[in-house]
Amino acid sequence: AQSVTQLGSHVSVSEGALVLLRCNYSSSVPPYLFWYVQYPNQGLQLLLKYTSAATLVKGINGFEAEFKKSETSFHLTKPSAHMRDAAEYFCAVSMEYGNKLVFGAGTILRVKS
Amino acid sequence: DSGVTQTPKHLITATGQRVTLRCSPRSGDLSVYWYQQSLDQGLQFLIQYYNGEERAKGNILERFSAQQFPDLHSELNLSSLELGDSALYFCASSASPGTGTNYGYTFGSGTRLTVV
Repeated sequence: AQSVTQLGSHVSVSEGALVLLRCNYSSSVPPYLFWYVQYPNQGLQLLLKYTSAATLVKGINGFEAEFKKSETSFHLTKPSAHMRDAAEYFCAVSMEYGNKLVFGAGTILRVKS
Repeated sequence: DSGVTQTPKHLITATGQRVTLRCSPRSGDLSVYWYQQSLDQGLQFLIQYYNGEERAKGNILERFSAQQFPDLHSELNLSSLELGDSALYFCASSASPGTGTNYGYTFGSGTRLTVV
């Protein structure tokens, strides 16, 4: 069965600093991988997804993630954090498109001014 | 607006009661997924329907049930409610794989259930 581990339940960065949110997955087959963002009292918004095409995936709001099969990782990065990036971020995996998504525990990103 | 509509947005009810949460998927999406989000359990998959048929079951309690109707909207029924059922319930939908599919899962804004 697939699973997702997000290292660090809380990450704090200064405004303008690099954002790095870590995600490792376990899957017996090449997975579909997703990053979602949840702002307070809101739903889940898709940031980006990996669907076995390019390994470097660009998403919305300046975020990107790189699929590294050898490391079973799909870390989320953004070169320069902005205050509006403060939210909770979830990594998710699906063995096959159309199957359920399995989510990590989430990482709360705090951006300091 | 994501295209996935959930009603109601908020629900407050007493222990022992029964409630129904409703989800309308994005136009054309055949799959509907239900998730429960709580502080202690995170985002847990409950159940999936595809074109009216149950496709996958997760950590769904026997007190909970769901169905998907011919117009593809789905309802999640929660009965004999307990305090611990208080959570945010999300619905998501996805398209069938095929030409032009963007392989996304679209989430609604959720229903916040409070059991008192």
